Amino acid sequence: EDQVTQSPEALRLQEGESSSLNCSYTVSGLRGLFWYRQDPGKGPEFLFTLYSAGEEKEKERLKATLTKKESFLHITAPKPEDSATYLCAVQAKIYNQGGKLIFGQGTELSVKP
Amino acid sequence: DTGVSQDPRHKITKRGQNVTFRCDPISEHNRLYWYRQTLGQGPEFLTYFQNEAQLEKSRLLSDRFSAERPKGSFSTLEIQRTEQGDSAMYLCASSTHKPPQGTRPYEQYFGPGTRLTVT
Repeated sequence: EDQVTQSPEALRLQEGESSSLNCSYTVSGLRGLFWYRQDPGKGPEFLFTLYSAGEEKEKERLKATLTKKESFLHITAPKPEDSATYLCAVQAKIYNQGGKLIFGQGTELSVKP
Repeated sequence: DTGVSQDPRHKITKRGQNVTFRCDPISEHNRLYWYRQTLGQGPEFLTYFQNEAQLEKSRLLSDRFSAERPKGSFSTLEIQRTEQGDSAMYLCASSTHKPPQGTRPYEQYFGPGTRLTVT
């Protein structure tokens, strides 16, 4: 069964304290892995798509990397405005390119000034 | 590009009542998805449309749930005889049918969600 597990469930950082979020996945052939940011009471906001092992994507203080079994979201020198829940999702190759996403439970990040 | 919109944003209903939610996708997107999210969990897939055709339904989508996309534009999700366990955030997402390159997956863009509370 396709599955996504994120760790830690919650992470508290001081402003400027860099860290990484983990997303481990089991999928019957990976078509793509997605990272989203979700603020309380709002819908997920798309951040990155990764397609193959070794790929990296960057956006401001965020950098996403992908291996054959996991993805990391690295946060460099975070600011309080980076506080949110970060969601990881996979799409399996058995679906066509428009198929469903399977999400992890998310990592709730809190950055204190 | 106005993004995905959902209406209403919040709905409080009594157990046993029927509710209907609407989703308007990004205008050039032909794929539309419904997900459900409960507190502390990631979104769970419910169903998805390509144009007006409903291509997949999750086992989560019981007989009390029905979704339509009659003209391939907006979609509605109806829950009949609501139960307290239906309380959740209902999210809609859309994606294009024109991939950026080769066999890469289509990125899904989410709306703000409809928060349903069943009392």
